[in-house]
Amino acid sequence: SAVISQKPSRDICQRGTSLTIQCQVDSQVTMMFWYRQQPGQSLTLIATANQGSEATYESGFVIDKFPISRPNLTFSTLTVSNMSPEDSSIYLCSVARAGSGNTIYFGEGSWLTVV
Amino acid sequence: GENVEQHPSTLSVQEGDSAVIKCTYSDSASNYFPWYKQELGKRPQLIIDIRSNVGEKKDQRIAVTLNKTAKHFSLHITETQPEDSAVYFCAASMVGNTPLVFGKGTRLSVIA
Repeated sequence: SAVISQKPSRDICQRGTSLTIQCQVDSQVTMMFWYRQQPGQSLTLIATANQGSEATYESGFVIDKFPISRPNLTFSTLTVSNMSPEDSSIYLCSVARAGSGNTIYFGEGSWLTVV
Repeated sequence: GENVEQHPSTLSVQEGDSAVIKCTYSDSASNYFPWYKQELGKRPQLIIDIRSNVGEKKDQRIAVTLNKTAKHFSLHITETQPEDSAVYFCAASMVGNTPLVFGKGTRLSVIA
């Protein structure tokens, strides 16, 4: 399985602030995916992060609110900007590992609570 | 785009009984169907997956079946145990660098 490290694992954030979540993978991957899981809900794709180009955002998610960086093939960041209590969620990065038949793996997740 | 429907949303079974969770998908191009188990406070963990070139896959007490014609797939858990209690998510995508689309989840409770 892939080793995917996410930081921070948990944080309590003040309303109106921004927080950057980091995702580090143990090997090179072409695409990294960022998901949000609101309390009691399923996982919703925020965006796909491609190395060397802008991220592709899903309907309902915009770059100004969730800017993403992908500086190389093993690392990505997701920033949650100008946070409100509605942003309290688990944020998960995931990757597909070609060597494992493109099985998709998730990082440990970043549990954010906005107060 | 892909849409995945999952039923039931909650399921309670007696320990030792079987549990079945069903999902349907909309995009006939999808060919990868994983199942994830999520325990409280933890990330989703892959428990089994199936690709469109097979109709059934089994791993000990867990099995997944796929009907591509009808565009549905199911998770079967036999001889359920209390530790099987969790939220289960089905998902669908195309093999390769495409993201998963998830069902809404099933909360399984195994009653001892």
